[in-house]
Amino acid sequence: AQSVSQHNHHVILSEAASLELGCNYSYGGTVNLFWYVQYPGQHLQLLLKYFSGDPLVKGIKGFEAEFIKSKFSFNLRKPSVQWSDTAEYFCAVNAPGNNDMRFGAGTRLTVKP
Amino acid sequence: EAGVAQSPRYKIIEKRQSVAFWCNPISGHATLYWYQQILGQGPKLLIQFQNNGVVDDSQLPKDRFSAERLKGVDSTLKIQPAKLEDSAVYLCASSGEGAGELFFGEGSRLTVL
Repeated sequence: AQSVSQHNHHVILSEAASLELGCNYSYGGTVNLFWYVQYPGQHLQLLLKYFSGDPLVKGIKGFEAEFIKSKFSFNLRKPSVQWSDTAEYFCAVNAPGNNDMRFGAGTRLTVKP
Repeated sequence: EAGVAQSPRYKIIEKRQSVAFWCNPISGHATLYWYQQILGQGPKLLIQFQNNGVVDDSQLPKDRFSAERLKGVDSTLKIQPAKLEDSAVYLCASSGEGAGELFFGEGSRLTVL
């Protein structure tokens, strides 16, 4: 079964700093990859997803992620964070045609104004 | 489009009591999931339904947890009897045909005293 590792438990940045959150997955076959975000008091919502094609995917609010197959990674990036990006970020993976989605433990991002 | 509806939002019970959570997925979504999210961890899949059939319940503690989706639409998750370690947020999600993406409700936060 697939598994997901997020190595950063809590990241603290100042506004305008660049962000990169790590995500590695363990699965031998083709995968779909996702980043979900959970703002304080809100439900999980999709930030971006990769199914196939261009390994650099762009999501909402200026976020992007790059799929590197050889490294089994799908890191999330944003060039300049804002205070409103304070949230918990979850990387997730499932296999095409199988909606059994596995999540990482999450990374809590705190952006200082 | 209405999102995934869950109730109650919060529930406090004593150990050994029972509790039930309700979920109504997005209209037309065949697949429904229940996840358990313990504080500081990522969501963990408890059970996945395709219409009214169970696809995966391998991580559901069947001695105390049960779930049903009788008419292939809304679903209930029951815990009886509850233990302290069941304190968590119970997330319901749904997905459409082949979509890959999950849509989450706001969750039901359970506290077991």
